Amino acid sequence: EVQLVQSGAEVKKPGESLKISCKGSGYSFTSYWIGWVRQMPGKGLEWMGIIYPGDSDTRYSPSFQGQVTISADKSISTAYLQWSSLKASDTAMYYCARLEEVGATGLDYWGQGTLVTVSS
Amino acid sequence: QSVLTQPPSVSAAPGQKVTISCSGSSSNIGNNYVSWYQQLPGTAPKLLIYENNKRPSGIPDRFSGSKSGTSATLGITGLQTGDEADYYCGTWDSSLRGVFGGGTKLTVL
Repeated sequence: EVQLVQSGAEVKKPGESLKISCKGSGYSFTSYWIGWVRQMPGKGLEWMGIIYPGDSDTRYSPSFQGQVTISADKSISTAYLQWSSLKASDTAMYYCARLEEVGATGLDYWGQGTLVTVSS
Repeated sequence: QSVLTQPPSVSAAPGQKVTISCSGSSSNIGNNYVSWYQQLPGTAPKLLIYENNKRPSGIPDRFSGSKSGTSATLGITGLQTGDEADYYCGTWDSSLRGVFGGGTKLTVL
C-alpha cells in the first residue's frame, strides 16, 4: 500500500527555521516525484515545487523560489520542505504528494498534511 | 489570483448532475493534461481525474472529466451528500510547473 506520512504539526516564532518531512512507503521512492502543496487557512491549493528523489532534480514554482528549500534523502525514502526564516504568512497546511510524470499524471497519493503555525 | 479560473461555488440536489468548469490559456490547459481533485472538509485532497478524463482505481464512474481547447470540465452525476467538498483543477504551465485553479465549493442541497 502506497503511503506518504508527514511529520507532525509545528508551532514556531517568526524568524525561526523549520524542516518538515514526508516519508514514502509501499512503492519505489526513487521512481516518482514528490510535490509540495500549500494551503493557507480557508484558501485554495498552491503548487510549491517538486523533487525527483532518484537524482534530486528539483523544480520550484516562481512564487516559492528562494522562499523554501525542497530536498530528499532517498536512503530513508523521505522528502523535506524547509524554511530558513519563517514569517507569519507561512502559516498554512502543507501537503506532500506523489507524482508519476511531470506534465502528465496528477498527484495520485497525498500525505495527511502538516500544519505549520508561525506566531509571536 | 489563480492562473486557472473556476466558479467559486456550485450547487445541485441529490441525484442530479453538476459540472464544474476550469478555464485557462494556451500556456497551460491548452497544451497540457488536466487533473481534478476532491477535498472533503478537513482532509487531504484526493485525485479524481488525471490526463483529462482518466479515473484512478476506486473512483466511481459518476465522476468524469473532459477538455476542450483551453478549458476543462468535471462532471458529477447521481449527486450524493457525501460529494459535498471543494474541487480543484490542476495542470501545468509552459515551464512544466504545476498550477491549480482557485477551487469550487460543491453544495448538495
